[in-house]
This record gives sequence, structure tokens and C-alpha cells, in this order.
Amino acid sequence: QSALTQPPSVSAAPGQKVTISCSGSSSDIGNNYVAWYQQLPGASPKLLIYQNNKRPSGIPDRFSGSKSGTSGTLAITGLQTGDEADYYCGTWDNSLSTYVFGTGTKVTVL
Amino acid sequence: EVQLVESGGGLVQPGGSLRLSCAASGFNFKSYWMGWVRQAPGKGLEWVGNIKQDGSEKYYLDSVKGRFTISRDNAKNSLFLQVSTLRVEDTAVYYCARVEDSGSSEYWGQGTLVTVSS
Repeated sequence: QSALTQPPSVSAAPGQKVTISCSGSSSDIGNNYVAWYQQLPGASPKLLIYQNNKRPSGIPDRFSGSKSGTSGTLAITGLQTGDEADYYCGTWDNSLSTYVFGTGTKVTVL
Repeated sequence: EVQLVESGGGLVQPGGSLRLSCAASGFNFKSYWMGWVRQAPGKGLEWVGNIKQDGSEKYYLDSVKGRFTISRDNAKNSLFLQVSTLRVEDTAVYYCARVEDSGSSEYWGQGTLVTVSS
């Protein structure tokens, strides 16, 4: 079972925007919803985006998600120091009947 | 308030076994798929497996098939992960999570650490 591909790290200054890509295949992202999770140091993962672009209650609209073909994207606008964390995408893999996470991306606020 | 509380982790020798538990509260437990996710020290998230509402369907990560077993007790709002024939590479924090209709997980426990070492 291969993980979805994410860039290891992204960075930007406070107030700026970052985007994180998540690359998969037709058996996973291509035919399923993408979710995005934030994991602060020492904490459990937190759901930011589900069904490609929906936000759970309490998640600010600075976080947005999209999907195109076999890739998903998370965008964070108005970057804040509190956004420094690891971010993971996730989706179901139909061919393996397993859930698969991305390799993870560390966001650094400069 | 939805709460998931894991327990049962600890230090175990290679080849040993443990039973992890997850106590659920604040929602209708028997109506949801549930799952386990693990995270090795300094590494990313790795899905371990899911179980259907009535326990009739279970799915596992290839590397744990035959060694790990997920079960649940809907009468006691509890989820379990029996981990056997443990390997050093199974060392991780194990999280239980509620699986939503979309397949994602909005609610997670705090995790329980399993350390496999001689």
C-alpha cells in the first residue's frame, strides 16, 4: 500500500498563502473523496477538510480544499504562526479496500 | 460531546501481544464504522484497519493482516485492537477514530503508545 504523495515542506510569511498538493491515482483519489488533517506537535490529528472541499464546524474559511482528477490541494490563506503543523491528505483506495494517508507536509511560518 | 479514550498500550517484547481498547461516548457508537490509525515516532500517519457497525466487515493494512484483529462491543461502546506477533516496526502511537460516511475521521482519541523492544 503506497502513501499518497505530498511535498515534504512548504513555508511562507505570516499573512501569506500556502498550497499543499496530494497526488494519487485512479484507484484512490480519482474515485473517492479527499480529506485533509492537521496535526500540531504532540496532538492527535484534526480534520480540516472532508469530501474534497467541506469544512467541519469550527474550521475557519482560511482553510480550503479542492480536487482535480487524481490530485487534491489544500490551501491556507492568511497564514498564522498557529498554523505551523504537519498536514496529511487521506482517501480510500478501492482496489486495496484500505484507507491511505499522504506522506505529510510540514508547514513553517517564516 | 464525542469522546474516544484509548488504553492498553505499553512495552512488549518482539513476538508478544497486547489488547488495545477504545472507550467511546457522546454518540451512537453502533451506528458508525470505527478505525485504528498508528503513527511511528517521528513518522507519518498509517491507517491500520476499519470495522463496520455490526462487525461483519473488517479491513486491514497488508502488513498487519493475520497479526492484528479489530473487534467491537456495541453494548459497551468499545472498540478493540488485538495486536499479536509484534515486531519492532509496530512501535507507534495507536489512535482510534470514528469513521464518517465520507470515509474521513472527525473524531480521534488521544492515542496509546505501543513500544516493541527487547
